[in-house]
Amino acid sequence: QKEVEQDPGPLSVPEGAIVSLNCTYSNSAFQYFMWYRQYSRKGPELLMYTYSSGNKEDGRFTAQVDKSSKYISLFIRDSQPSDSATYLCAMKAGNQFYFGTGTSLTVIP
Amino acid sequence: GAVVSQHPSWVICKSGTSVKIECRSLDFQATTMFWYRQFPKQSLMLMATSNEGSKATYEQGVEKDKFLINHASLTLSTLTVTSAHPEDSSFYICSAGTGAVTDTQYFGPGTRLTVL
Repeated sequence: QKEVEQDPGPLSVPEGAIVSLNCTYSNSAFQYFMWYRQYSRKGPELLMYTYSSGNKEDGRFTAQVDKSSKYISLFIRDSQPSDSATYLCAMKAGNQFYFGTGTSLTVIP
Repeated sequence: GAVVSQHPSWVICKSGTSVKIECRSLDFQATTMFWYRQFPKQSLMLMATSNEGSKATYEQGVEKDKFLINHASLTLSTLTVTSAHPEDSSFYICSAGTGAVTDTQYFGPGTRLTVL
């Protein structure tokens, strides 16, 4: 079993939809949780960084962490075509990082 | 803040030559730098982790004599692909962090290497 599981998609939604991206994990030592956005042929860009259970909001993005269920989510409200990218979840325990495989998202105008 | 640059952004070279890729943290001191390789439509593959002033730690299956990593300062790490071959063609991405337990990784824009 992988440390971090992420559905690769692809996920296709109409513009304006609410998008839900999810990752599950098995290691209870993970303390820090991140979401990155990667456009084609670009490096990943940090979107959200959280270290506790609960919600963190930044504009149209909300990161949710449920440590009891070992489950994290990223919600995108009012999705735009510019949100079309691959979204990577990442987790950290100590100085070790673990990445999901990424979910490919396409927002259709 | 937390900007990481890479140079060059793309490079084409002949088989058998060596290529050096630079990774710089522009506005913070990067105690730790990571080098990744990514094939089209695939996830990141960690190649090695380097701490400033120390030898890099390579992941299993990565040839350290082929992929030379130097982390000589707190703002610069280099990856040299020695005697490159077509199978080394890939997208190489570096990332950097302060090394603090609470810190995350900040990625560079990537370098596309094509070996003819």
